[in-house]
Amino acid sequence: KAGVTQTPRYLIKTRGQQVTLSCSPISGHRSVSWYQQTPGQGLQFLFEYFSETQRNKGNFPGRFSGRQFSNSRSEMNVSTLELGDSALYLCASSLDRGHNEQFFGPGTRLTVL
Amino acid sequence: ILNVEQSPQSLHVQEGDSTNFTCSFPSSNFYALHWYRWETAKSPEALFVMTLNGDEKKKGRISATLNTKEGYSYLYIKGSQPEDSATYLCAFIRMRFGAGTRLTVKP
Repeated sequence: KAGVTQTPRYLIKTRGQQVTLSCSPISGHRSVSWYQQTPGQGLQFLFEYFSETQRNKGNFPGRFSGRQFSNSRSEMNVSTLELGDSALYLCASSLDRGHNEQFFGPGTRLTVL
Repeated sequence: ILNVEQSPQSLHVQEGDSTNFTCSFPSSNFYALHWYRWETAKSPEALFVMTLNGDEKKKGRISATLNTKEGYSYLYIKGSQPEDSATYLCAFIRMRFGAGTRLTVKP
């Protein structure tokens, strides 16, 4: 069974640009969550999608958005990039919502110059 | 406790030592507590999902306990091995993560 995949794995952008990251969950998983990890910080929750609907949102500005498609694949978008957006972005999928265990992808390393 | 707190922040032990670390979380409105192991250059890997007060779960040499009334969980590693070196994360309600305990096991 294929794991969670994320593309691209590495990305370099400049301030003011926008970026779209993609996450393909494990087949059959319907919940996808996104997290940001910056140096010295733990994993910060961005948002959770289930059945194409955002179910939870973390404390991030509106520049961070996402969506989920009917096949459960998810994308997150960051507009007007700032230097502080440089981070590892992880997505995680689970069968359902609730307390099912999450399976993480390898992450996308975003560098903003 | 408003946030999820983990202690210690880092730990260095010798191969063969047993060790444990703590995750503290808000004791009200408990839903679930997750433990993950995150090795360098890999993805976080789920270890346990704990939902009931008094829960004790075990996977090989690693075990965890849960006290929802006082808001803490312990993770134990018996006979640490170098391959146990990783950051151990706990998450409250699945999405609120602690900063982790970084474990280094010296051969």
